Amino acid sequence: DVKVTQSSRYLVKRTGEKVFLECVQDMDHENMFWYRQDPGLGLRLIYFSYDVKMKEKGDIPEGYSVSREKKERFSLILESASTNQTSMYLCASSLGPVWVAYEQYFGPGTRLTVT
Amino acid sequence: KNEVEQSPQNLTAQEGEFITINCSYSVGISALHWLQQHPGGGIVSLFMLSSGKKKHGRLIATINIQEKHSSLHITASHPRDSAVYICAVGGPDRGAQKLVFGQGTRLTINP
Repeated sequence: DVKVTQSSRYLVKRTGEKVFLECVQDMDHENMFWYRQDPGLGLRLIYFSYDVKMKEKGDIPEGYSVSREKKERFSLILESASTNQTSMYLCASSLGPVWVAYEQYFGPGTRLTVT
Repeated sequence: KNEVEQSPQNLTAQEGEFITINCSYSVGISALHWLQQHPGGGIVSLFMLSSGKKKHGRLIATINIQEKHSSLHITASHPRDSAVYICAVGGPDRGAQKLVFGQGTRLTINP
């Protein structure tokens, strides 16, 4: 079974802090994704990566950056956390290429609160 | 108008009832996904389909490409089916794996 893990289930940070969310997958998947989920808005794509060191902006990249130094690990970085970044963050992974439809495997999510 | 619309937003039913959740989309797609999210956050992929019908246990997913519409059916519903069901599409214009999601349907099955 594919396993996608996220570093924290719950996280509380202060406004202005730099926040790192980590995601690890164990199935050698080419693609990894970061989403945020908000009530009434559903899931929205922040960034995705289709290979090591390769990344592409999703629909709502503002205020976020990402890093993928190793194939199995994809980090989401909030450079200066703000209260409007309070949300549930979900990581996912999939086989590639990204122009072909594949099933995505999701992590358990990190509920981030910025105070 | 959202690219992916689900209905109903909330659905409550009694155990044993036949359940239908609908998804309409307005863009060209490579595939449509049905996902399940239980309380606590974890999301599981139920189906990925680009035509016709798929069945897994008591779950059936259908898609009509011409009408840009998909349905998720649950037969003999059970309280453990209580979850949020999410429809998502990926298409050739933005990338098959860059999914756009519906807002979800919250299903509650009472014993």
